[in-house]
Amino acid sequence: GQQLNQSPQSMFIQEGEDVSMNCTSSSIFNTWLWYKQDPGEGPVLLIALYKAGELTSNGRLTAQFGITRKDSFLNISASIPSDVGIYFCAGQQLFNNDMRFGAGTRLTVKP
Amino acid sequence: DTGVSQDPRHKITKRGQNVTFRCDPISEHNRLYWYRQTLGQGPEFLTYFQNEAQLEKSRLLSDRFSAERPKGSFSTLEIQRTEQGDSAMYLCASSFRAEGVLTYEQYFGPGTRLTVT
Repeated sequence: GQQLNQSPQSMFIQEGEDVSMNCTSSSIFNTWLWYKQDPGEGPVLLIALYKAGELTSNGRLTAQFGITRKDSFLNISASIPSDVGIYFCAGQQLFNNDMRFGAGTRLTVKP
Repeated sequence: DTGVSQDPRHKITKRGQNVTFRCDPISEHNRLYWYRQTLGQGPEFLTYFQNEAQLEKSRLLSDRFSAERPKGSFSTLEIQRTEQGDSAMYLCASSFRAEGVLTYEQYFGPGTRLTVT
């Protein structure tokens, strides 16, 4: 089952607003990744984080690897309609070869 | 298009039938993964290959599920005697595993949506 707790489950925001979502776990992960999935498509990699405390940006997206290695955050600034979709966090543990996913945050952006 | 491709994109089958899905990874990637995704959930890891070797298969959902990657390039996932509970999106991902590197990024294909009636 899922080991990653993602929140919120869904968000309804106005175009132009900033968005924050997070992912927590009771276990330590040594890699955190954030994906976006559109309906009927596979997840698309947005950002990968490899070091505790790391802050990485990709355009209007910024993600952070929590200091405890048990959490991660994704921020989207100045949202636009094409940001609509489901955002998944994923974590990988040292010496484990599978990647665990959260249940996703569904983002709706109102024009 | 140099991304991960999957075929077919959609499959409707009757309960009890066998189905096979194909995945073609990014050409230079040596690792290939299979995931299952049900509605409202994130992808769930099933199995993975490094080149042609299947290194993890304990997560395959039952002995009705099997995967192959005979020449270390494309892979197939077969489900025998399908059940209605097998209805889901089946996703394939690939990555490049470099020597001495413990972490890496996985790139997903568009998935195969299976409906078992």
